Amino acid sequence: GNSVTQMEGPVTLSEEAFLTINCTYTATGYPSLFWYVQYPGEGLQLLLKATKADDKGSNKGFEATYRKETTSFHLEKGSVQVSDSAVYFCALKQDGGSQGNLIFGKGTKLSVKP
Amino acid sequence: EAGVAQSPRYKIIEKRQSVAFWCNPISGHATLYWYQQILGQGPKLLIQFQNNGVVDDSQLPKDRFSAERLKGVDSTLKIQPAKLEDSAVYLCASSRLRGRLETQYFGPGTRLLVL
Repeated sequence: GNSVTQMEGPVTLSEEAFLTINCTYTATGYPSLFWYVQYPGEGLQLLLKATKADDKGSNKGFEATYRKETTSFHLEKGSVQVSDSAVYFCALKQDGGSQGNLIFGKGTKLSVKP
Repeated sequence: EAGVAQSPRYKIIEKRQSVAFWCNPISGHATLYWYQQILGQGPKLLIQFQNNGVVDDSQLPKDRFSAERLKGVDSTLKIQPAKLEDSAVYLCASSRLRGRLETQYFGPGTRLLVL
């Protein structure tokens, strides 16, 4: 079945450090891929998405590229800020048909220290 | 535009009691989802509605969970009777479009603790 595997946390970085959170997936066909972020005490917010191979999603300095050959969608940011501290979830959606449920990874908690 | 609203934000009950959660999706969003997020895990789909019809409830524990969306807008999720393992955050999400253009918008969630 479809699944998402992302790197275990927590990840602790200093401000302005480079961030990579790895995400790989298992799916049939061509799913859409997403990164959601959950700030403390808040709901999930869409951070970025990519709907086909080689697409790059980007938002707020974060980027992720849909790599079909490696079934990966790694999240990167060149210089993190304290305000980026949150839990990050990688997810996929198997497009086609009427079902639209997202399949999430377990989440990676990021803490950025000043 | 207003986001997805959920209430209550927190609920503490004892096992075998019943509980209900309410969700008001973004105006005009035909699709509504309920997800369960257990501590330390990603959300998992419980049920998907399209307007007031059920699209997917294959992962809903139907012996104790029920959900409805009678007028195609608000939705309620009920647990009766609750078990200790139902302690989780219950997330509601809604979307307007379908397929690859779809983006799901999540509410703040209801945190349930079953004692």
